[in-house]
Amino acid sequence: AQRVTQPEKLLSVFKGAPVELKCNYSYSGSPELFWYVQYSRQRLQLLLRHISRESIKGFTADLNKGETSFHLKKPFAQEEDSAMYYCALNRGGSNYKLTFGKGTLLTVNP
Amino acid sequence: GAGVSQSPRYKVAKRGQDVALRCDPISGHVSLFWYQQALGQGPEFLTYFQNEAQLDKSGLPSDRFFAERPEGSVSTLKIQRTQQEDSAVYLCASSPRTNLYEQYFGPGTRLTVT
Repeated sequence: AQRVTQPEKLLSVFKGAPVELKCNYSYSGSPELFWYVQYSRQRLQLLLRHISRESIKGFTADLNKGETSFHLKKPFAQEEDSAMYYCALNRGGSNYKLTFGKGTLLTVNP
Repeated sequence: GAGVSQSPRYKVAKRGQDVALRCDPISGHVSLFWYQQALGQGPEFLTYFQNEAQLDKSGLPSDRFFAERPEGSVSTLKIQRTQQEDSAVYLCASSPRTNLYEQYFGPGTRLTVT
C-alpha cells in the first residue's frame, strides 16, 4: 500500500528565509504527487502537482523518484505562507484516490 | 462561484446516536469524495461517487457508515450508532470528470461524539 510521510509536524521560519517542507512517499509504481494547503479558517485547496511542473505563489516541488521525495520549497518565505501543508499521492493512471500525509504546520514569523 | 458546501458545520452527538452529514458539490461536478480527518492527521479516503454510482467504498471504517448520492448531486454520509472514535472532521470534495486529481474541498463537518 502507498504511504506518505511528512516528518515535520511543525516548521517555523522567519520572513525572507528559505523554506523546505519535506515529503517522502512509498509506492512501487509511478505515482502522481500533490501539495495541498489549508490557510487559517479556509478550506483545503490544491497548491501544486508535480505533473504540471509549475510554480505557484513562489513554491516549487520536484519529484525525485530515486529518493522517493517531493519536497516543497520556496526561496523567500512570506508571512501569508503560514498554513497547514499536506503532501498527497495518487497511484496514477485513472486512479482517483488520494493518500495524504499528516501535514506540516508552517509558521512564518515577521 | 459557489464552492462545495457542507452541513451542519458542527455536530455533537451522544454515543449511540445516528447522524447524517450533507454535502452539496459544485454544480456539474460528477465526482464526489468523502474523507475523514482525525485530529492531527491528514484526510483519509472514505468513499467515491461518480454521479449516483458509488464506485468505491473501501475506506468506510465499518458497516455503521453509509453514504448515498441518489440523484447524482447532493450526497449524505450517515453514521449509525456513533462511537467516540468517530469524532473527526468529515470532508467532502468534488471534481470535474475530466480532472479527478484536482478535488475541490468543502469546509468540513466537525463531529464530536460524547
